[in-house]
Amino acid sequence: DVKVTQSSRYLVKRTGEKVFLECVQDMDHENMFWYRQDPGLGLRLIYFSYDVKMKEKGDIPEGYSVSREKKERFSLILESASTNQTSMYLCASSCQGAGCTDTQYFGPGTRLTVL
Amino acid sequence: GENVEQHPSTLSVQEGDSAVIKCTYSDSASNYFPWYKQELGKGPQLIIDIRSNVGEKKDQRIAVTLNKTAKHFSLHITETQPEDSAVYFCAAVYFGNEKLTFGTGTRLTIIP
Repeated sequence: DVKVTQSSRYLVKRTGEKVFLECVQDMDHENMFWYRQDPGLGLRLIYFSYDVKMKEKGDIPEGYSVSREKKERFSLILESASTNQTSMYLCASSCQGAGCTDTQYFGPGTRLTVL
Repeated sequence: GENVEQHPSTLSVQEGDSAVIKCTYSDSASNYFPWYKQELGKGPQLIIDIRSNVGEKKDQRIAVTLNKTAKHFSLHITETQPEDSAVYFCAAVYFGNEKLTFGTGTRLTIIP
């Protein structure tokens, strides 16, 4: 089974702090994604990566950056956390190439609260 | 880009009855439509998907139908059970594009 893990289930930070959210997948997937989930808004894509050191902006990249130094790990960085970044953050991965679909496999999520 | 609308946002049904959730999409090039179930405290999990070359797909109590002309697809759950209570998301993508566009979710509650 595909396993996607996220470093924290719950996180509380203060405004202005730098925040790192880590995601690791164990299925050698090329694609990795970061979403935020807010009530009534569904899942909105922040950034995604289709290869090591590659990244592309999603629909709401402002205030975020990402890092993908290794294939299995994708980090989301909030350079200076703000209260409007309080949300549930979900990481996902999917494979590329023959035999792959666009099915994404999700981690359990990190609920971030910025005070 | 793609836009996916999902209705209703909340749905309550008696245990044993059927539930239907509907989604419409805007990009006629989209050809892959997965459905995800998110239980409390967990990430979304794929429960069924359909490609544009078929009109219906079933897996035990769940089914998905696709109308390409009208650009809408639906999730059908029959003989609902308490464990079906969850938030359900539809999504659409042009296969190979890799970026799914999600609907806003439906909170389904099964009333015992």
